[in-house]
Parts: sequence; C-alpha cells; structure tokens
Amino acid sequence: DGGITQSPKYLFRKEGQNVTLSCEQNLNHDAMYWYRQDPGQGLRLIYYSQIVNDFQKGDIAEGYSVSREKKESFPLTVTSAQKNPTAFYLCASSWAGGATEAFFGQGTRLTVV
Amino acid sequence: GQNIDQPTEMTATEGAIVQINCTYQTSGFNGLFWYQQHAGEAPTFLSYNVLDGLEEKGRFSSFLSRSKGYSYLLLKELQMKDSASYLCAVPPWAGNNRKLIWGLGTSLAVNP
Repeated sequence: DGGITQSPKYLFRKEGQNVTLSCEQNLNHDAMYWYRQDPGQGLRLIYYSQIVNDFQKGDIAEGYSVSREKKESFPLTVTSAQKNPTAFYLCASSWAGGATEAFFGQGTRLTVV
Repeated sequence: GQNIDQPTEMTATEGAIVQINCTYQTSGFNGLFWYQQHAGEAPTFLSYNVLDGLEEKGRFSSFLSRSKGYSYLLLKELQMKDSASYLCAVPPWAGNNRKLIWGLGTSLAVNP
C-alpha cells in the first residue's frame, strides 16, 4: 500500500544530543514537508523540499537540518542548537503544484530531557 | 499579508449538527482544504473547495464563499469519534511556493 511512514513514533533524547527523524514515502510525490506542532500553536513549517537535492527553509528552520538525497526520503535532524525541541513532528508529502492534498505520516513525538 | 482565522474551541452534543467557520485573507486564491486531526495523530484530508457553494460528503459538508473569504465545515449526526481538531488550510496562489497556510485549528468536543 502507498503511504508515508515516519519513525519512530516516540523518541527520547538527552539535552545536547542531535537526533534524526525518519520520513519515507512511496507515493511518488515530488514535494515533502516537515512540520512542528505544539499545543495551541497549530502546524508550523520547518523545511520543505520540492525536488531531490533541493530544500527550502520554512518559518522555524533554526536548529534543524534536512537532506533530500532520494525522492522517497526526507530526514529531519534536530540539532542541539534547537532551544526547545520537545514537540510533535509531522512529515507530509504532496504532488507538485500548490493546490494538492498533503498526506501525513503518523508523527514522531520527541521528548528531550 | 495572509491569514486564516478559526474559532479555538467548540462543544456540541452527540447527534446534533455543528458548523465550524474559517475566514481567510490571501493575496490570491487557489482553493481551501479542511483536515481532521485526532489528538496525537496525523491530520487527515476531509475536503477541498475551489468553487463557491456547498459540497457534501456523507455526514460532512464544506462550503465556500470566495467573495467573502469564508468557508465552513458542517458536521451532521455528530458522533463521539468526531471529537477532534479541524484544520483549515489555504494552498499557495502561484509560483513554486508549496507552503500551505494553516489555521490554528478548531478543537471540537462532542458530548453524550
């Protein structure tokens, strides 16, 4: 079945450590996105990519990094520079073109202690 | 600028009808999405409106008025499982920008 997969669902890390969140899709979508969701703040865009080997900063990119070496994969690294990394992270993908439905992964809840 | 407004919270009773409003201000218009998100889960697509009027999909309907910058999601015969957050989103108008503009979501509580 086609879909978008994030792993793991829950992740715990010590403060000061970098951590990488996985996102894989087999929908053949060109565009992929990373969002962060905090209570009462809605979805905030971290990074997005429209094509392999290219990505753009979203509204809250500081402290995060991404890569897009393959069409299917768009991993997100939360670095130690991110001041408040504990959050719910959502990966999404869509066809090229602005008015197309976004498909979301199940999300990763990251807790930094 | 571009902005989307939705009520923060709503409460309704099982079996009733509820209307969740969304107003938007954008430099252009390329349709409007509604998503449902249960607590701790990913958003799932409900509807996409690009033309004025009401579109019905079972218990859920979505309405759009482009001249008023207004949309609503209508949920009929409410069930407990409809308790969720409902997100309104507007896609980019033109160019290569793929950044959806999201509302903060309306948290709906359905009571017995």
